[in-house]
Amino acid sequence: EVQLVESGGGLVQPGGSLRLSCEASGFTFSAYEMNWVRQGPGKGLEWVSYISRSGSTIYYADSVKGRFTISRDNAKDSLYLQMNSLRAEDSAVYYCARYLAGYYFMDVWGKGTTVTVSS
Amino acid sequence: QSALTQPASVSGSPGQSITVSCSGTSSDIGTYDYVSWYQQHPGKAPKLMIFDVSNRPSGVSNRFSGSKSGNTASLTISGLQAEDEADYYCSSYTSSSTLVVFGGGTKLTVL
Repeated sequence: EVQLVESGGGLVQPGGSLRLSCEASGFTFSAYEMNWVRQGPGKGLEWVSYISRSGSTIYYADSVKGRFTISRDNAKDSLYLQMNSLRAEDSAVYYCARYLAGYYFMDVWGKGTTVTVSS
Repeated sequence: QSALTQPASVSGSPGQSITVSCSGTSSDIGTYDYVSWYQQHPGKAPKLMIFDVSNRPSGVSNRFSGSKSGNTASLTISGLQAEDEADYYCSSYTSSSTLVVFGGGTKLTVL
């Protein structure tokens, strides 16, 4: 079964850091580009970051640029999001989702992990 | 403020058809046929319903269809069913520095 499973969410104080993970199974992870998408409480979807198959090309939303770092380990079938200098407005459910290389739609999504930034 | 503009809500009765619009710019919808639509039920992950403007993934009902005209994309759901009640989000590739943009989402209510 094709699956993405996020982990690493939790409660963190403003200014703190957190590292999210996304483990892939059921498909060849290295053949897919990957994204992080978040959804604040009661809000819509917000794209956060993209990484190419090799990790050589990366994009970030302006709202997280300079604070978040996306990375991947194809040997471990895993995607990561290092989040630093966290703010209350970063509180959200964070989803990982895959792109087939050369396409721009997310056909498989994880169930998400919740990040709460609060003192 | 989202980069793509969707109506906050739409509604329809069972069996009817509804259309959700998604307005963008020449940097995204107007130039690229990379519009996708996602359905999200409360507490669930989004589900891909339409990709590349008008294509349906395997397993998605043919009651769902997509189109585009100029800078605006549309999702049409025909023969509305109770289980179609959900939030719907459009998304597009963008030539701006951010690669991907989403709409603010539209809540569909089946009356």
